[in-house]
Amino acid sequence: GAVVSQHPSRVICKSGTSVKIECRSLDFQATTMFWYRQFPKQSLMLMATSNEGSKATYEQGVEKDKFLINHASLTLSTLTVTSAHPEDSSFYICSASKGRYEQYFGPGTRLTVT
Amino acid sequence: GQQLNQSPQSMFIQEGEDVSMNCTSSSIFNTWLWYKQDPGEGPVLLIALYKAGELTSNGRLTAQFGITRKDSFLNISASIPSDVGIYFCAGQLRSSNTGKLIFGQGTTLQVKP
Repeated sequence: GAVVSQHPSRVICKSGTSVKIECRSLDFQATTMFWYRQFPKQSLMLMATSNEGSKATYEQGVEKDKFLINHASLTLSTLTVTSAHPEDSSFYICSASKGRYEQYFGPGTRLTVT
Repeated sequence: GQQLNQSPQSMFIQEGEDVSMNCTSSSIFNTWLWYKQDPGEGPVLLIALYKAGELTSNGRLTAQFGITRKDSFLNISASIPSDVGIYFCAGQLRSSNTGKLIFGQGTTLQVKP
């Protein structure tokens, strides 16, 4: 199998606070994990690529100091949205790769910043 | 940036009908993937294609990797109500070694019972 979990599934936070989202590959070791953001009725937008033990590679236009990514092990990556603002409200989805080309996605995290 | 042109954007069909959607690009890909996303969920991998000309089936779904390596199609036969959702194509560029995928804009499928 290739199961990826995300936690939490939903989070509401106040403006200015930070939120951490966890992504775990449950039944395989992920060589690479990816973080996406998705707006309503739109496609997935890649934010960053992370490999275990190394710094994440951010896509152009994504602030690395605002979206902190830590890939501590082959089964866990975290995304921390720092000093969140209402415009950061979105659906955040992670994916994990076993090493070939397929990416297996988590169920997503709905972030609402009030 | 690189783009995949996915069409149609949306489809509204009768249960039992066959469905076809496709993705095209001006760039060459070495992998094509097809995903389905239900509302509020992450995408689920349906079919993965690795070689030009490859034709692969998964139940009522069939997908092909175009000979030119610049396109792919997905067919769904005898649609049922649970086929409702958004279908995305995704590909990895031949020139890429990062594992990054480029996604199409999605095809929203609605099935009338």
